[in-house]
Amino acid sequence: DAGVTQSPTHLIKTRGQQVTLRCSPKSGHDTVSWYQQALGQGPQFIFQYYEEEERQRGNFPDRFSGHQFPNYSSELNVNALLLGDSALYLCASSLWTAVDSGELFFGEGSRLTVL
Amino acid sequence: AQTVTQSQPEMSVQEAETVTLSCTYDTSESDYYLFWYKQPPSRQMILVIRQEAYKQQNATENRFSVNFQKAAKSFSLKISDSQLGDAAMYFCAYRSKAAGNKLTFGGGTRVLVKP
Repeated sequence: DAGVTQSPTHLIKTRGQQVTLRCSPKSGHDTVSWYQQALGQGPQFIFQYYEEEERQRGNFPDRFSGHQFPNYSSELNVNALLLGDSALYLCASSLWTAVDSGELFFGEGSRLTVL
Repeated sequence: AQTVTQSQPEMSVQEAETVTLSCTYDTSESDYYLFWYKQPPSRQMILVIRQEAYKQQNATENRFSVNFQKAAKSFSLKISDSQLGDAAMYFCAYRSKAAGNKLTFGGGTRVLVKP
């Protein structure tokens, strides 16, 4: 049973560029959340997708956008990259109907470096 | 807004000994979940233990147990019989029952295990 998979694992971009990160949820899961983890800090919630719609959003600018596909996989897009966007981006999946149980399954993340 | 504070940046423990990690949180809600996640160098967040606020009994999972003090808004994690594999970053997290999959994380505590 495959867990949450993310790609790419590492990438380097320059300021002003755009980046797309990808996530495949754990088998059977239909809800995907994205978190940003700056070096030495705890993760911060970016947004959550269910049924191809953004359901919740954290305190992130519109440069951060996402998408969910019919197979439940998801993309995180960041436009006009800033140095401060350098971070580990974590994807987490869960089952919408079990949201009350609170357990998320995380991927290993995509490490983005902005130069 | 809810906040989660972990006041210990790093804790060191001898193998087979016990270590306690502190966590405090701030919320005006009465119904919520609290979690401890472990993040090893592989970067994947792994759920260690979960506590529901309305449950008086402290949660336990094998060598891991919590001391939940709702009135004091305190949620500490005790690791007993520490093993080398317990070395990792540990994050305390809060989730409102009304907040879907939005977790609010603390800044983390690094646990070092000495052989």
